[in-house]
Amino acid sequence: KAGVTQTPRYLIKTRGQQVTLSCSPISGHRSVSWYQQTPGQGLQFLFEYFSETQRNKGNFPGRFSGRQFSNSRSEMNVSTLELGDSALYLCASSLGRPEETQYFGPGTRLLVL
Amino acid sequence: QKEVEQNSGPLSVPEGAIASLNCTYSDRGSQSFFWYRQYSGKSPELIMFIYSNGDKEDGRFTAQLNKASQYVSLLIRDSQPSDSATYLCAGSTGNTPLVFGKGTRLSVIA
Repeated sequence: KAGVTQTPRYLIKTRGQQVTLSCSPISGHRSVSWYQQTPGQGLQFLFEYFSETQRNKGNFPGRFSGRQFSNSRSEMNVSTLELGDSALYLCASSLGRPEETQYFGPGTRLLVL
Repeated sequence: QKEVEQNSGPLSVPEGAIASLNCTYSDRGSQSFFWYRQYSGKSPELIMFIYSNGDKEDGRFTAQLNKASQYVSLLIRDSQPSDSATYLCAGSTGNTPLVFGKGTRLSVIA
């Protein structure tokens, strides 16, 4: 069974731009969670989608948004990029409940200049 | 605020020794706990999960959960240089997102 895939793997943007990241979960998994990982803050939860609905949301500003499609693929968008948004963005999928085992994709490394 | 605390390390152990990684959590409602391993520049990969008090063994790895004391630990027996990585502990209260600790860096010295 194929794992979680994320595209693109690397991205360089400038302040003020926006970015869209994509995540395809493991086949059969319906829950997709997004995390931001930085050296100082560790893994921080952004949001979780299940059946095209945002089920949980972390403590991030409204510039961070996401959505999920009917095939469980998910996208996250960051508008008006700031230098502090430079991070590794990780997507994880699970069968259905957010407390179940989550399997991570390879991540998208975003650098904001 | 729900928190999961880990000693950041680095924890250095000689090859062949037992590495002991510890994690404490603040929310008594936490029910499920996970240990992930993350190599530098890579994404986290699941090592094991534990839901019940006591020990759970999987190969060289043993997870221990003590809900009364609110701690979770991971023991790695016969540590190998390839075990050198950051180990992330995560917990959930059920139907809520996982809360991750900041990780403990393990270095196994050959």
